[in-house]
Amino acid sequence: AQSVTQLDSQVPVFEEAPVELRCNYSSSVSVYLFWYVQYPNQGLQLLLKYLSGSTLVESINGFEAEFNKSQTSFHLRKPSVHISDTAEYFCAVTLSYNTDKLIFGTGTRLQVFP
Amino acid sequence: DAGITQSPRHKVTETGTPVTLRCHQTENHRYMYWYRQDPGHGLRLIHYSYGVKDTDKGEVSDGYSVSRSKTEDFLLTLESATSSQTSVYFCAIRSHGTGGEDTQYFGPGTRLTVL
Repeated sequence: AQSVTQLDSQVPVFEEAPVELRCNYSSSVSVYLFWYVQYPNQGLQLLLKYLSGSTLVESINGFEAEFNKSQTSFHLRKPSVHISDTAEYFCAVTLSYNTDKLIFGTGTRLQVFP
Repeated sequence: DAGITQSPRHKVTETGTPVTLRCHQTENHRYMYWYRQDPGHGLRLIHYSYGVKDTDKGEVSDGYSVSRSKTEDFLLTLESATSSQTSVYFCAIRSHGTGGEDTQYFGPGTRLTVL
């Protein structure tokens, strides 16, 4: 069965600094990968996803993630964070041939300080 | 916005009472899901539905039941609430993309407290 590990439960960073949120997955077959963001007291919003093709995917607000099959990783990065990026970020995986179920990591809380 | 609403948004109840949470969608999606979110656990799947009257269990289904009598509504019932079911509950739908890929979109959540 597939699984997802988010290695950091909290990541504190100063505004305008770069950030990387780490995600590793475990699966013996082809997968789709997702990053969701949850702002305080809100639901989850899709940030970006990897399905196939280019291994580098980008979101509209400056985040990007790179699918690395050999390292089974899908780390999320942003070169310069804003206060408004403070949120919890969830990595998730599903099998490409059976997308009935989405498996989530435990989340990483990004705290951006001025 | 995938047209998902959840009701109620907040509820406080007592141990042993039945509770029903409602998820409503307006875009005729076939697949609907119920998750619970707890600190340190991320989101865990409770039950999901792949059509009217078609449901299946997720990883944390004990103590919960679901029903789907109409495409647009997916109900989650706690037959006899316990304090361990205090959580935030999210409903999701699965949408097909232009390339055939599937992506889940989430409702705003229901915060349930069982005293």
